[in-house]
Amino acid sequence: DAKTTQPTSMDCAEGRAANLPCNHSTISGNEYVYWYRQIHSQGPQYIIHGLKNNETNEMASLIITEDRKSSTLILPHATLRDTAVYYCIVLNAGNMLTFGGGTRLMVKP
Amino acid sequence: KAGVTQTPRYLIKTRGQQVTLSCSPISGHRSVSWYQQTPGQGLQFLFEYFSETQRNKGNFPGRFSGRQFSNSRSEMNVSTLELGDSALYLCASSWGHRGQGETQYFGPGTRLLVL
Repeated sequence: DAKTTQPTSMDCAEGRAANLPCNHSTISGNEYVYWYRQIHSQGPQYIIHGLKNNETNEMASLIITEDRKSSTLILPHATLRDTAVYYCIVLNAGNMLTFGGGTRLMVKP
Repeated sequence: KAGVTQTPRYLIKTRGQQVTLSCSPISGHRSVSWYQQTPGQGLQFLFEYFSETQRNKGNFPGRFSGRQFSNSRSEMNVSTLELGDSALYLCASSWGHRGQGETQYFGPGTRLLVL
């Protein structure tokens, strides 16, 4: 699986959009970009995934660059409950899920 | 739809004992994967079950075993517990198996402490 690089931590004001970047410059054509988050000591929560096109669901939007070498997860209106570690994972079918260091997002009032 | 459930949520055991953890997948999901998460090692894959068959196994000793029942519910067992087995054990379910590229949904985890 391609390796991902994420900032270690980020802050965001409550009510503002949180934009979490991820670099995956070695991604191959059949690899998906997945985002999960984990609130302290809880199970990881699936957020969104995409291959080439931008994706949006009730939780977030995923913007993937045209060359697929990077992506951004957007939480449109961050709340205090969005404080968590966010993991960007590049995965193809058949490979196991592994989490890197992730980005620790702190949403502040 | 109800999410993945795991029982118990917390467990304290002593070295040498054995433990059984249970996982009920999302209704309709046929694949269950187990992971161990520790601060030092991160998320590590234990095994995957699909239609009552173990499809994949991670690099863990034979003390770690599992099974899946006909209703897709799964159990994992750890025998002869060691201090290093203290971890958050996570179960994830998906409709298809890993080779089909299905999204995995995690349960809340069982936090095991071995004294």
